[in-house]
Amino acid sequence: GQQVMQIPQYQHVQEGEDFTTYCNSSTTLSNIQWYKQRPGGHPVFLIQLVKSGEVKKQKRLTFQFGEAKKNSSLHITATQTTDVGTYFCAGRHGGYQKVTFGIGTKLQVIP
Amino acid sequence: DTEVTQTPKHLVMGMTNKKSLKCEQHMGHRAMYWYKQKAKKPPELMFVYSYEKLSINESVPSRFSPECPNSSLLNLHLHALQPEDSALYLCASSQEVQRAQYFGPGTRLLVL
Repeated sequence: GQQVMQIPQYQHVQEGEDFTTYCNSSTTLSNIQWYKQRPGGHPVFLIQLVKSGEVKKQKRLTFQFGEAKKNSSLHITATQTTDVGTYFCAGRHGGYQKVTFGIGTKLQVIP
Repeated sequence: DTEVTQTPKHLVMGMTNKKSLKCEQHMGHRAMYWYKQKAKKPPELMFVYSYEKLSINESVPSRFSPECPNSSLLNLHLHALQPEDSALYLCASSQEVQRAQYFGPGTRLLVL
């Protein structure tokens, strides 16, 4: 089946440091979505990327979609304790209705 | 209203019980989803409804039975579950199946 690989699985950073998580697919994605799940919470939609090479920013978060539409990244500048949680990418392959979630990257921020 | 609500929040059931999970959204979304999430794992798709019709069943065992009574409501009927079915069950909705999904808070299910 279609897979979306996500690394790293875990990341500990000191507050104020930057953080990046990466997603990769062996086949072209029609779009990719990013979600954040706080401990004990539910996934919350962050953004959707559709175009090749697209870059979108939300305050300290920068999302990129690769030129070949096979990879994506989420970068957080100057992490804060409120950034703690698990970040999931979810990619859609071709005309499939479903999205395939990556394994998630669990971010811990040390104050 | 930008919320997806789910009831109950917690559910404990025996293997012979029959119970139902409920999900509601009033955002006018035409796609609704059931996911199962185990601890430290990503959400795992179970069912997708598009315009009140079942469009995806991810080979889910028949002891899980979805129902979409109308465009705002989604139910998941549970019968003869196994302990390994214990998980967080998440409902989500989106404008269309290609769009962003909005998740409810989930039902934490424990099967004894």
